[in-house]
Amino acid sequence: ELKVEQNPLFLSMQEGKNYTIYCNYSTTSDRLYWYRQDPGKSLESLFVLLSNGAVKQEGRLMASLDTKARLSTLHITAAVHDLSATYFCAVDPSGTYKYIFGTGTRLKVLA
Amino acid sequence: EAGVTQFPSHSVIEKGQTVTLRCDPISGHDNLYWYRRVMGKEIKFLLHFVKESKQDESGMPNNRFLAERTGGTYSTLKVQPAELEDSGVYFCASNQDRGFDEQFFGPGTRLTVL
Repeated sequence: ELKVEQNPLFLSMQEGKNYTIYCNYSTTSDRLYWYRQDPGKSLESLFVLLSNGAVKQEGRLMASLDTKARLSTLHITAAVHDLSATYFCAVDPSGTYKYIFGTGTRLKVLA
Repeated sequence: EAGVTQFPSHSVIEKGQTVTLRCDPISGHDNLYWYRRVMGKEIKFLLHFVKESKQDESGMPNNRFLAERTGGTYSTLKVQPAELEDSGVYFCASNQDRGFDEQFFGPGTRLTVL
């Protein structure tokens, strides 16, 4: 069975701290996506990682992809309260166009 | 540019009733996808339309679920009759080039079956 494991499931952190969310997947996939969801809102696309070694950064968030290890990380630098949300990773097994999602990581940044 | 919209945002029905969820994709997007997330579980694929045609409905749980996309614009997902285990959040997504673009998601419809 194709699986995407995300950890941690819950993360409570202080403002100003750094942390990493991990996304492991069990199938071959050329693409990995990170989404953010605020309560009651759409899943907002954060990063699209298309190849091995890809690294993308936006503000305090940086995502990377290692297709050989089937691992992606979402690193948070100097967290601020506005980053509180649920973060999902998803893979797109080659040619299927149906995303397989991780369970999500609920992040709470404490002031 | 308007994003993917879904209606209603929340629906509460009793077991055995019928509910219809609606999704309006981003204008011009040929590809439309339905996903759902049941309590505490992963978001799971239900089906994929290309224009008005069902491209892949391998994720549809059973024949109580019927999805349509007449005219290739908006889509509906009907659950008839609803069961308790159908409760969850139903997401819709769309994109233009399925081989290149990421999927753009709507806010979801939260369905509660009592």
